[in-house]
Amino acid sequence: GEEVAQTPKHLVRGEGQKAKLYCAPIKGHSYVFWYQQVLKNEFKFLISFQNENVFDETGMPKERFSAKCLPNSPCSLEIQATKLEDSAVYFCASSQSRLRTDTQYFGPGTRLTVL
Amino acid sequence: RKEVEQDPGPFNVPEGATVAFNCTYSNSASQSFFWYRQDCRKEPKLLMSVYSSGNEDGRFTAQLNRASQYISLLIRDSKLSDSATYLCVVSTSGGGADGLTFGKGTHLIIQP
Repeated sequence: GEEVAQTPKHLVRGEGQKAKLYCAPIKGHSYVFWYQQVLKNEFKFLISFQNENVFDETGMPKERFSAKCLPNSPCSLEIQATKLEDSAVYFCASSQSRLRTDTQYFGPGTRLTVL
Repeated sequence: RKEVEQDPGPFNVPEGATVAFNCTYSNSASQSFFWYRQDCRKEPKLLMSVYSSGNEDGRFTAQLNRASQYISLLIRDSKLSDSATYLCVVSTSGGGADGLTFGKGTHLIIQP
């Protein structure tokens, strides 16, 4: 598609439950990124993929968070055993290539609320 | 010290006025620089890339000072629709491939 699509829009989980978020990048884009935006507007880079391969996972919490981009499927971000501090908006972005001039286009985000 | 620092505001500015924002970045290896705009917790949208020579896009002018590690955004003849949060964003290499580092954003309110 012409836009990054993310589902669901909103997700509510009780503490300790699993949360799974999905992202479909713009068609033809090779790079996918996940960012977390918590209350005070602070964005945190989590992980990026080049096609189905992890490109950079330096921002990914070591425990409970995992992500995949499989061929012919939306990319996913999964949080096992959610905690209150995981409440945030999770944005997915995609870009066409690794050129310096290339732009990351963001999806509308998934708002995760952990109760 | 935060990697990208911005004055959070809010900046309350009358319609038609000129307003300027600044940000500083700490990583001297940063290569790509951007201003993004975010409305009411929606997704950030690229406003403009920032080049060493400075660049202009309509009412918006961006400047980069690598020696001082400082980026600015100037908005002329501000409109009500310019009300938003402006995010200063840097990348250590390619904007297309590397995770972006965001400032906390500057909140701008244009008043009629």
